[in-house]
Amino acid sequence: DTEVTQTPKHLVMGMTNKKSLKCEQHMGHRAMYWYKQKAKKPPELMFVYSYEKLSINESVPSRFSPECPNSSLLNLHLHALQPEDSALYLCASSQVGLRPPSYGYTFGSGTRLTVV
Amino acid sequence: EDKVVQSPLSLVVHEGDTVTLNCSYEVTNFRSLLWYKQEKKAPTFLFMLTSSGIEKKSGRLSSILDKKELFSILNITATQTGDSAVYLCAVEGFSQKLVFGQGTRLTINP
Repeated sequence: DTEVTQTPKHLVMGMTNKKSLKCEQHMGHRAMYWYKQKAKKPPELMFVYSYEKLSINESVPSRFSPECPNSSLLNLHLHALQPEDSALYLCASSQVGLRPPSYGYTFGSGTRLTVV
Repeated sequence: EDKVVQSPLSLVVHEGDTVTLNCSYEVTNFRSLLWYKQEKKAPTFLFMLTSSGIEKKSGRLSSILDKKELFSILNITATQTGDSAVYLCAVEGFSQKLVFGQGTRLTINP
């Protein structure tokens, strides 16, 4: 299995809702990432988990809360979002080690989030 | 701060043409440079380059890295309409952070 699977593919939520994005991989990768991509912009890193521990938080507002329950799963909990948070949220995974991961970072197809 | 600059930002060519996409970078503790193709959703991996001067090839696509001059190029020969996409260049330092360039939007007209 060489895929990163993200659910849901689309999500529309109100500013008072709580929702979660899910990401799953079975490639044995021990690093997982959340990226945010606005229209016609490159992906921007939000969070990095390495061996199920949060290693990087790129000063993301607390209304975004990541969780890594095990080595295959990554969640992003959303609460009280703003319309400007509407974007494509991409999950990625990679090997961890002193050498760069052989096949780069594998990205999921993303969740297109609209906040109304 | 790590930085990646791609050029051109947009390129329109005819099917069969050869294109060269450019990527220059500044990064602390360089580990690798990666090229991705993004059509509608997930960026799909094309190449990872770590060593200077060694060309990576996959069919009509090839890429090379110059670590002294801090740039990379992606070549696509005999372009096809299916090559139309945004091509993203990203660099990785030792911090496990991928920093992306703005992308080159490539359009191949029949």
